[in-house]
Amino acid sequence: QKEVEQNSGPLSVPEGAIASLNCTYSDRGSQSFFWYRQYSGKSPELIMSIYSNGDKEDGRFTAQLNKASQYVSLLIRDSQPSDSATYLCAVKGEGGSQGNLIFGKGTKLSVKP
Amino acid sequence: EPEVTQTPSHQVTQMGQEVILRCVPISNHLYFYWYRQILGQKVEFLVSFYNNEISEKSEIFDDQFSVERPDGSNFTLKIRSTKLEDSAMYFCATRDSNQPQHFGDGTRLSIL
Repeated sequence: QKEVEQNSGPLSVPEGAIASLNCTYSDRGSQSFFWYRQYSGKSPELIMSIYSNGDKEDGRFTAQLNKASQYVSLLIRDSQPSDSATYLCAVKGEGGSQGNLIFGKGTKLSVKP
Repeated sequence: EPEVTQTPSHQVTQMGQEVILRCVPISNHLYFYWYRQILGQKVEFLVSFYNNEISEKSEIFDDQFSVERPDGSNFTLKIRSTKLEDSAMYFCATRDSNQPQHFGDGTRLSIL
């Protein structure tokens, strides 16, 4: 059973701080990793994708991948109250699948003004 | 920006009735998916669809579920005889080759 694990939180940070969200996955063969943001009652919205070891930056967001440790993280710099949401880590199924995503339970982030 | 469109946004149905949830994929996308999210739980994969056939399905996707693309545009999920435990948000997602999936706004299904 392929698993994606996240700390459910809630993670509370003050406005302007760095929020750090973590995720581990069980399938060592996984190659594609995604962070989605989900506001309460809404659908997942793609934030970042990452496929290679190292860091990938997009504006205030940085995704980090370490395949040896089976670990993915998302850093949010200069956190804003509008960043308050649940952040979902998703790993693309491999081994013949058509790319279905395996999601973690999500980490709820609260940014306090 | 192109969007995945789902209808209806909310469906209320009596237990045992059939429901059809509809999705209009982004026009050049080739891969289609249905996911569900029970309230307070994680997003779960149901089925993937490519080249007019199911390519993969999860254990959740039993004989009560079916998918089709009847007219080349809509992608539908049918639940034949709904149960209370089918109450959830149902998300359609689509993607182009080697691209991430984009999700529709979802259909909230409430079974009474």
